[in-house]
Amino acid sequence: DTAVSQTPKYLVTQMGNDKSIKCEQNLGHDTMYWYKQDSKKFLKIMFSYNNKELIINETVPNRFSPKSPDKAHLNLHINSLELGDSAVYFCASSQTGGLAPQHFGDGTRLSIL
Amino acid sequence: GQQVMQIPQYQHVQEGEDFTTYCNSSTTLSNIQWYKQRPGGHPVFLIQLVKSGEVKKQKRLTFQFGEAKKNSSLHITATQTTDVGTYFCAGLDAGGTSYGKLTFGQGTILTVHP
Repeated sequence: DTAVSQTPKYLVTQMGNDKSIKCEQNLGHDTMYWYKQDSKKFLKIMFSYNNKELIINETVPNRFSPKSPDKAHLNLHINSLELGDSAVYFCASSQTGGLAPQHFGDGTRLSIL
Repeated sequence: GQQVMQIPQYQHVQEGEDFTTYCNSSTTLSNIQWYKQRPGGHPVFLIQLVKSGEVKKQKRLTFQFGEAKKNSSLHITATQTTDVGTYFCAGLDAGGTSYGKLTFGQGTILTVHP
């Protein structure tokens, strides 16, 4: 019973392509997040949704578009992939925003050729 | 904007030695959370501190929250090879909303030599 599951686990694609990553949580949490972790392990928040509403939208290129069809799902679509997009993308969820522990998915390792 | 600095960036220890990582925020925090990420894994929540001066222990791990709620530390006594990984602190700005972002420190990568 995986709490936060994201697919795919690995994504290898060419520059210029469009790709999507999906995330689902079965914890009943209200808040979901997307983080980007670069090669130096730095974890940077990209987006946060609470009950399907966008709460946090950091300085992220508009090639990245999140979508939350319901509070258990948060997907990330990336247009026109660039070399600098290579990273590990983590989905996470928490019960009540920043005051509650965050539960992370296993990550999607995106490599741009 | 809020910044959370974490030091050291790397720490190599012999098994059995102690280890400490420090976290400093540019602003007062509502809370501080600590996470551990094993190599190739995802961050896993360890603990949350909320009160000024709070100290919590989990077996060999001791977590402290500063009196001013701007700094925190994680101390591991007698490290074991299973302690290997990256330790992150993350804090919520007290001046923001509860749905504000958790700002993560850069992490401390711990390696333990047997």
